[in-house]
Amino acid sequence: KQEVTQIPAALSVPEGENLVLNCSFTDSAIYNLQWFRQDPGKGLTSLLLIQSSQREQTSGRLNASLDKSSGRSTLYIAASQPGDSATYLCAVNAGNQFYFGTGTSLTVIP
Amino acid sequence: GAVVSQHPSWVICKSGTSVKIECRSLDFQATTMFWYRQFPKQSLMLMATSNEGSKATYEQGVEKDKFLINHASLTLSTLTVTSAHPEDSSFYICSARELWGRADTQYFGPGTRLTVL
Repeated sequence: KQEVTQIPAALSVPEGENLVLNCSFTDSAIYNLQWFRQDPGKGLTSLLLIQSSQREQTSGRLNASLDKSSGRSTLYIAASQPGDSATYLCAVNAGNQFYFGTGTSLTVIP
Repeated sequence: GAVVSQHPSWVICKSGTSVKIECRSLDFQATTMFWYRQFPKQSLMLMATSNEGSKATYEQGVEKDKFLINHASLTLSTLTVTSAHPEDSSFYICSARELWGRADTQYFGPGTRLTVL
């Protein structure tokens, strides 16, 4: 069974810093990996989707990488802002099912 | 892009009552919908997969008689929590896969927060 782990569980940084969130998964047989943002009490907002054949995807200040063979993905956030404060979830798509990590709670301090 | 809605967005009910949550694909047809739940400070866990016109497939540990799922049309799936108890309080999120879309793409709803008193 696929297991998805995210490190760190929580992260607090001053505004303007660059930061990296980590995601690891145990089974490399995946269709894609997706990073989501979840604000408190809210649903999921899709940030980046990386297909299994891709190495990275970029959107604005966000860059996600994927190393399928080693079972790792990173989400890089450049020049962090207070509005980036949220929980970030990575999810691995293995066929019909998404396996979610436990998330990284990010706080960006003004 | 594809939009999935959920109704209600939040609900409070008394213990022992039943609650129905709707998941709709607004601008596409979904043959398959998925139901997840998320307990506080935990990640999302798949509860069941529903295919239009057939019985839902439940994950291990999920009581199918307690969580009734109906996927009667290509745009609507419902989750009914029967005889709800406080331990059923959770955030329920659905997702939908488009009829002719890529098999690996799901669109997520905004979630429904259930509180059972």
